[in-house]
Amino acid sequence: DAGVIQSPRHEVTEMGQEVTLRCKPISGHNSLFWYRQTMMRGLELLIYFNNNVPIDDSGMPEDRFSAKMPNASFSTLKIQPSEPRDSAVYFCASTPGGILGELFFGEGSRLTVL
Amino acid sequence: AQTVTQSQPEMSVQEAETVTLSCTYDTSESNYYLFWYKQPPSRQMILVIRQEAYKQQNATENRFSVNFQKAAKSFSLKISDSQLGDTAMYFCALRGGGADGLTFGKGTHLIIQP
Repeated sequence: DAGVIQSPRHEVTEMGQEVTLRCKPISGHNSLFWYRQTMMRGLELLIYFNNNVPIDDSGMPEDRFSAKMPNASFSTLKIQPSEPRDSAVYFCASTPGGILGELFFGEGSRLTVL
Repeated sequence: AQTVTQSQPEMSVQEAETVTLSCTYDTSESNYYLFWYKQPPSRQMILVIRQEAYKQQNATENRFSVNFQKAAKSFSLKISDSQLGDTAMYFCALRGGGADGLTFGKGTHLIIQP
C-alpha cells in the first residue's frame, strides 16, 4: 500500500515567492496533519483536519500560511509570501480518524527560502 | 497543555551495547498513547514502538523495549544489541485526549560506533 505522499521533496525559492506543498494521505485515513521541523523548534504541529475540515490551526505561524483540504485525498500548505525563516522540513501525516494511534508520516518537503 | 521532555540531546555507544533513551511527559488526559519515532538521515519518520497508557505491560518490539512508569510519567526506550543502522534521531511523542496530533520531544541523536 502506498504511504503518505508529499511533493515536492525539495524546494528552493526566493524570498517573496509563493510556495505550495502538497500531500496525499493514506487511503481511508480521514485525519491529516501538517508539521514543521526546524533545528531550533523541533517538530511543531501547524494544523490538522478531520474529514477535510480544519480542526485546529493554532499552530499556523501567521497569515502568510494557509492550508486546505478540498477532498479526502489531497491537501496543500501554502506560504505567501515566503521568508527565509520559513526554511524548514514540512511533514504531512495521516491517521484513521477518531481513534488514538500512531501517525503515518510522508517523507517531508525540505523548503529553502533564499 | 501536553509536554514531552527528552533530556539527552546526544548519546553515543558502541555497536552491540545496550542503550536507554529517557523521556518524561506531562498530560492531564487519562487516556493517551506514547510513541518512539526514529528519524534516520533520510529524514523519514519511522515508528519504533508504541505504548497505550491503560496497559501496564511494557511494550516490546524485537530489540526495542520501553520502561513505562505511569505514576512518574516516564517512558524510556531501551535498545538492546545496538546496530549501526540504529544511528538516528529518536523522538518521544504523546497523543491523547481528543485524538489530536502528536506532541514531540526535542529528540535524542543516537550514534552507534563500530
